[in-house]
Amino acid sequence: EVQLVESGGRLVQPGGSLRLSCVGSGLTFSDYSMNWVRLAPGKGLEWVSYISSSSNSIYYADSVKGRFTISRDNAKNSLFLQMNSLRAEDTAVYYCASSPLRRGTYEFDSWGQGTLVTVSS
Amino acid sequence: DIQMTQSPSSLSASVGDRVTITCRASQSINYYLNWYQQEPGKAPKLLIYGASSFQTGVPLRFSGSGSGTDFTLTISSLQPEDFATYYCQQSYSIPYTFGQGTKLEIK
Repeated sequence: EVQLVESGGRLVQPGGSLRLSCVGSGLTFSDYSMNWVRLAPGKGLEWVSYISSSSNSIYYADSVKGRFTISRDNAKNSLFLQMNSLRAEDTAVYYCASSPLRRGTYEFDSWGQGTLVTVSS
Repeated sequence: DIQMTQSPSSLSASVGDRVTITCRASQSINYYLNWYQQEPGKAPKLLIYGASSFQTGVPLRFSGSGSGTDFTLTISSLQPEDFATYYCQQSYSIPYTFGQGTKLEIK
């Protein structure tokens, strides 16, 4: 069974930084591209960032570009999101989600339970 | 960016009802359309990928159809555990985008 477990979310002041982690088990991590998706209070799902299986391709939503950095360590089955210059509108539950390479349709087939980031003074 | 528009935004239905949710893309996305179910406080769950392919373990009362710009998710006979929020998502091009969600409530 695939499991993705996020950690690192907490209360942080505006302008602060945070690093989220996601550890996978039950999957060959390098066979998946990975994504971060967030759910803000009262809003819908928003894709945040993508990283390819080998880290060769990286993309960001315009809302976080220049402030967030995605990375991964396949040897440790781990995904990261470095979040800088945090704003109130970044307050959300952040999910990591895997996308299997084998299908070629880029859906998010497994999700973590989420970690809550609250940006407030 | 590709805009995804779901309708309706909310829906009241009864156990046993047949329900259809629609999703329209602002441009053709071929068959790169996925459907997710999210219960309150839980992670989203993939139901349908590639417009009409079933994710392993998803009950067969869920089905998807469409291609190009217009897609549908149908639940053939609602069960109590199906009352949740449903999202469509295009994986045709980055930035990946979601519909605004359809909240399915018990009548």
